[in-house]
Amino acid sequence: AQSVTQLGSHVSVSEGALVLLRCNYSSSVPPYLFWYVQYPNQGLQLLLKYTSAATLVKGINGFEAEFKKSETSFHLTKPSAHMSDAAEYFCAVSDRSFQKLVFGTGTRLLVSP
Amino acid sequence: DVKVTQSSRYLVKRTGEKVFLECVQDMDHENMFWYRQDPGLGLRLIYFSYDVKMKEKGDIPEGYSVSREKKERFSLILESASTNQTSMYLCASSPRDSLYSNQPQHFGDGTRLSIL
Repeated sequence: AQSVTQLGSHVSVSEGALVLLRCNYSSSVPPYLFWYVQYPNQGLQLLLKYTSAATLVKGINGFEAEFKKSETSFHLTKPSAHMSDAAEYFCAVSDRSFQKLVFGTGTRLLVSP
Repeated sequence: DVKVTQSSRYLVKRTGEKVFLECVQDMDHENMFWYRQDPGLGLRLIYFSYDVKMKEKGDIPEGYSVSREKKERFSLILESASTNQTSMYLCASSPRDSLYSNQPQHFGDGTRLSIL
């Protein structure tokens, strides 16, 4: 069975600081990995995805994530936080069929001025 | 852009009522999904459907059923609503060939359901 673990239910940063949201996965087959963002009162929006091409994946809004097989990790980073980045972020894993996603419990990012 | 539309943003019902949550997608996607989202638990899959009239149980199907009579519409049914079904419900869709088209699931804005 596949699963993801997101470390930290809340992460607080100052505007302009580095954002680092952690995700570790467990999968018996080569995984596909995703990061989604959820703004208040909205559905989930895809930030980026890893599908076994480049291990460093660039997404929207300046976010990127690096797939590290040896560490079973897919952490999300952004060099400089903006107030508009405040949201909840979900890591997800899928098998190669893309048919089902298994989500982590989410990390709420708080950005202070 | 893909649009997944959930019929209600907010819904208040009473215990014991039969509740219908509707979801419509406009991109001819074969796959459709229902999740519930609870604080600290993330998204959990209730049911999904690969085709019209086909359905499969997800991780937490108890107390729910689904209906897919048309390709674009996927309904979630709470047979007899209970207070522990108060939650945010999210619908999603994806194409059958998502592996090759590189399109993961697209989500609606959610229905916040309160059972009193």
